[in-house]
Amino acid sequence: GQSLEQPSEVTAVEGAIVQINCTYQTSGFYGLSWYQQHDGGAPTFLSYNALDGLEETGRFSSFLSRSDSYGYLLLQELQMKDSASYFCAVRDVLGSTLGRLYFGRGTQLTVWP
Amino acid sequence: EPEVTQTPSHQVTQMGQEVILRCVPISNHLYFYWYRQILGQKVEFLVSFYNNEISEKSEIFDDQFSVERPDGSNFTLKIRSTKLEDSAMYFCASSATAYLLSSYEQYFGPGTRLTVT
Repeated sequence: GQSLEQPSEVTAVEGAIVQINCTYQTSGFYGLSWYQQHDGGAPTFLSYNALDGLEETGRFSSFLSRSDSYGYLLLQELQMKDSASYFCAVRDVLGSTLGRLYFGRGTQLTVWP
Repeated sequence: EPEVTQTPSHQVTQMGQEVILRCVPISNHLYFYWYRQILGQKVEFLVSFYNNEISEKSEIFDDQFSVERPDGSNFTLKIRSTKLEDSAMYFCASSATAYLLSSYEQYFGPGTRLTVT
């Protein structure tokens, strides 16, 4: 089956750097995505890694190591508005070439002033 | 900026009733998805749809569920006979590409909160 593990919550202060880790087990892994969700809102795409290494998009970076079945989301220069839930999601293509996303349980990030 | 829209935002129904949740994906997207999220839990895949047919469905997507793209813009999820455990937020999503080397970015709608009483 599929499983994803990520911390349930993380706290940090404005301006700090925080890293949210994700380890996964899946049969048809093809990539790791990160989504942000504010309370009651729609998940918003942040990043996708299909290959090993670091992808940087502004204040956010995402890393993937396929050999370790591990990835992380790095948030820099934290702002209050970054307080949200962050989900890692594995793209699994075992069932079809289109693939599906398996989501982790989410990490609640709280940013303090 | 184009966005996925969903109606209604909140639907209350009685157990055993049929509900239809509606979505308008981003206009040039070709791949469509439904997910659900029970309160406080993770987002769960229900079904993917491409070229007017289901591409893949999860174990949750049993015979009570169906999807349809009745015209060029709408994408619907029907639950034939709702159960209490169907109470959840239902998200529609769409993507422009799904090639294995693409970014696989899915755009989610704001969701429909379904409450079954």
